[in-house]
Amino acid sequence: AQSVSQHNHHVILSEAASLELGCNYSYGGTVNLFWYVQYPGQHLQLLLKYFSGDPLVKGIKGFEAEFIKSKFSFNLRKPSVQWSDTAEYFCAVSIGGNKLVFGAGTILRVKS
Amino acid sequence: GAVVSQHPSWVICKSGTSVKIECRSLDFQATTMFWYRQFPKQSLMLMATSNEGSKATYEQGVEKDKFLINHASLTLSTLTVTSAHPEDSSFYICSARDGSGTYEQYFGPGTRLTVT
Repeated sequence: AQSVSQHNHHVILSEAASLELGCNYSYGGTVNLFWYVQYPGQHLQLLLKYFSGDPLVKGIKGFEAEFIKSKFSFNLRKPSVQWSDTAEYFCAVSIGGNKLVFGAGTILRVKS
Repeated sequence: GAVVSQHPSWVICKSGTSVKIECRSLDFQATTMFWYRQFPKQSLMLMATSNEGSKATYEQGVEKDKFLINHASLTLSTLTVTSAHPEDSSFYICSARDGSGTYEQYFGPGTRLTVT
């Protein structure tokens, strides 16, 4: 079965630090890749997505992610985090445009 | 745009009763809706996929007779938890996908179910 792995469950950073959250998936075919964010008390929101083309995708709020097919990875990055980035981040994979398979999530806490 | 609502946002019910949760796409027509369950400190687990006008497709291990899903219109899907038990207590989240082929899902705010 397809699976998505997020390497860190908890990450604590100071403001202005750089962020990289790892995401790996297990599926050898064509995939669509997503990063979602869930701010405290709010619903899931799409940060960015990759369907095809340029493997470096830019999303909202300064986030970006790079799809490395050979590594089955789709890591999320942000050069300088802010306190308002405190949230839980989920990587997800869609195969064939159907259901999403989510990773376990990474809770990011940014210290001001 | 692309707003999905859920009602109620939280519900407490007694063991053995049934609870219905509604999921609505407010500004688009959702050809497909998904129901997820999220346990504390865990990820979202897909329960079922429903397409308007047809029977839902349940994931392995999800009891279709316990979790009844109806997708009667392009803007409404309902999940009914029948004969609820305390172990059904969870956070239920729906998402909706429009028919544009972008494969993007828009998520509702979730419903917190507590069975006493």
